[in-house]
Amino acid sequence: EAQVTQNPRYLITVTGKKLTVTCSQNMNHEYMSWYRQDPGLGLRQIYYSMNVEVTDKGDVPEGYKVSRKEKRNFPLILESPSPNQTSLYFCASSLLGPYEQYFGPGTRLTVT
Amino acid sequence: GESVGLHLPTLSVQEGDNSIINCAYSNSASDYFIWYKQESGKGPQFIIDIRSNMDKRQGQRVTVLLNKTVKHLSLQIAATQPGDSAVYFCAEGNSGGSNYKLTFGKGTLLTVNP
Repeated sequence: EAQVTQNPRYLITVTGKKLTVTCSQNMNHEYMSWYRQDPGLGLRQIYYSMNVEVTDKGDVPEGYKVSRKEKRNFPLILESPSPNQTSLYFCASSLLGPYEQYFGPGTRLTVT
Repeated sequence: GESVGLHLPTLSVQEGDNSIINCAYSNSASDYFIWYKQESGKGPQFIIDIRSNMDKRQGQRVTVLLNKTVKHLSLQIAATQPGDSAVYFCAEGNSGGSNYKLTFGKGTLLTVNP
């Protein structure tokens, strides 16, 4: 089944404790992206990647890192999480560019 | 499911009626536009897209209209069904440069009454 998977789905952590949210797609897509979703603010793009080893900032990249060492994986790294990073995070992928993106199920992160 | 509908514009329609969801976009340089549907507890799902060289595009039960003069986008859903109840997002982007960001609107909550 073609899909985007994220892990974990739910995570509660404390301020400053490094964490990684994994994202994997099995559709051989070149474009992958991370979004955060907050009530009243909609979806905001954090980082995106056009292909392996090619990443670029979205609208809200501060406090986040990404890497794209393999085509199928695009982990989101929070080196020192803070409470304002409490949010619902989505990973997405598409064949070429940010067009018809397939979204993962989301990761609910709470930073206390 | 996850609550993403707080503070959203809402549209309530009767089953079988047509729905029109509107979106104002901000960047006059945007040349492609996408509509996504998000059901409670799920990730957004692609519905339809349109490029700036078109003013109308039709899909199955959906039509997207683009008015570049006033930077306005609309999604029309024909014969709305209870399964159409969701939050609908428009998104804009620019394929012309090296920037492949996608900017989403804040969404509209559609409720279909049986």
